[in-house]
This record gives sequence, structure tokens and C-alpha cells, in this order.
Amino acid sequence: DAGITQSPRYKITETGRQVTLMCHQTWSHSYMFWYRQDLGHGLRLIYYSAAADITDKGEVPDGYVVSRSKTENFPLTLESATRSQTSVYFCASSESWNNQPQHFGDGTRLSIL
Amino acid sequence: AQSVTQPDIHITVSEGASLELRCNYSYGATPYLFWYVQSPGQGLQLLLKYFSGDTLVQGIKGFEAEFKRSQSSFNLRKPSVHWSDAAEYFCAVGAPGRFGAGTRLTVKP
Repeated sequence: DAGITQSPRYKITETGRQVTLMCHQTWSHSYMFWYRQDLGHGLRLIYYSAAADITDKGEVPDGYVVSRSKTENFPLTLESATRSQTSVYFCASSESWNNQPQHFGDGTRLSIL
Repeated sequence: AQSVTQPDIHITVSEGASLELRCNYSYGATPYLFWYVQSPGQGLQLLLKYFSGDTLVQGIKGFEAEFKRSQSSFNLRKPSVHWSDAAEYFCAVGAPGRFGAGTRLTVKP
């Protein structure tokens, strides 16, 4: 079925570890986004991508790295996880810049101990 | 800088009653405006969006929203709430979207 798939759905790790959250979409949408959701803050944009090999920082990019070698995949990496990065992470996509974001994944709940 | 305020953290309405969720924004130009709904444990679903033109926008699930430039508002409305509407609602502005903190809707039987 078409959609956005995030993996894993749940992850527990320790401070200082590297962790990668995966995002895969089947629509071939140009734009993809990573958000984190924290109580009282709504969703905050971490990074976004307009196409393969084109990425840009959002509101809270520090401590995160993204890549987009293929249109359908947009992984998010925490290079050295910190407790403040405990959150729920959502990937999203849209077909155009102003029509965004249209589709969200079900999220990854990440806990950093 | 663009920003979004949802003044109500939590709203409770009775099933069948009307609903209005408030959203105020700060934006330099004509904004792109969005409303999303999030059910527990799930991602967000786009309810409706406003780019330009008619200031009353119709969305899915019987929702509508009205853009009022003079009040910098984009309030979400529904004439008769159903129990299944209980969820978290988010307003967003701009591209890329900047989200409000959300309003949690509880529906009483």
C-alpha cells in the first residue's frame, strides 16, 4: 500500500549512542520532512528536503543529521544521542512546497536513557 | 518571524454541540494556513488548508475554517461534533509549516 513507513516504531537507547530513524515513502513526493513532537511544543521542524541530495535545516536541527540519496528515503540520524532528544519523531511528505506536509508517518517514539 | 498560537490547550464539548478551535498567527505576508488532526498513537492528518481566495475553507470530516486577515486568525469549526472527533488538533502556518502547540478535544456523551 502507498504511504509513509517509519521504523522502528519504538526505540530505547543510551546517551552518546548513534541512532538512525528510517523513513520511506511510496508516492515519489519531492518534499520530505522530519519533525519532533514534545508536550507543549506541538511539532517542530528538524530538517526538510526538496529532492534527492537537497536538504535544509528547520527550526531545531542541532544534534541531527539527514541524508537523501534516493527520493523515497529520508533517514534521520542522531550522531550522539542526548536525553533532551527523547521525543516522538514524525516523518512527512508532500508533492509541492506550498501543499505541505500532506502525509505523515505513524511516528517513532525514541527514549534516551 | 512566523508563529502560531492556539490559545486553548484543552476543550470539552458535548456530542452534537458546535465546535470552534482558535488559531492566531503572526506572518509577514499572506500565509499558507493548515489544520491537522492527530488521534492517539498516530501521525497527523491534514483536515484543510488555505492559500488564497475564498476565506471560508471546507475540509474533510465536516470541518471548515475561516481566514480573517484583520484578526490574524484561522479558526476551525464544526457544526455538530461526533464522539470520533475527540483528538488533538494542530494549526500550522507557512511553508515549511510552523505548528501551534495543539488543542486537545474531549467529547462528552
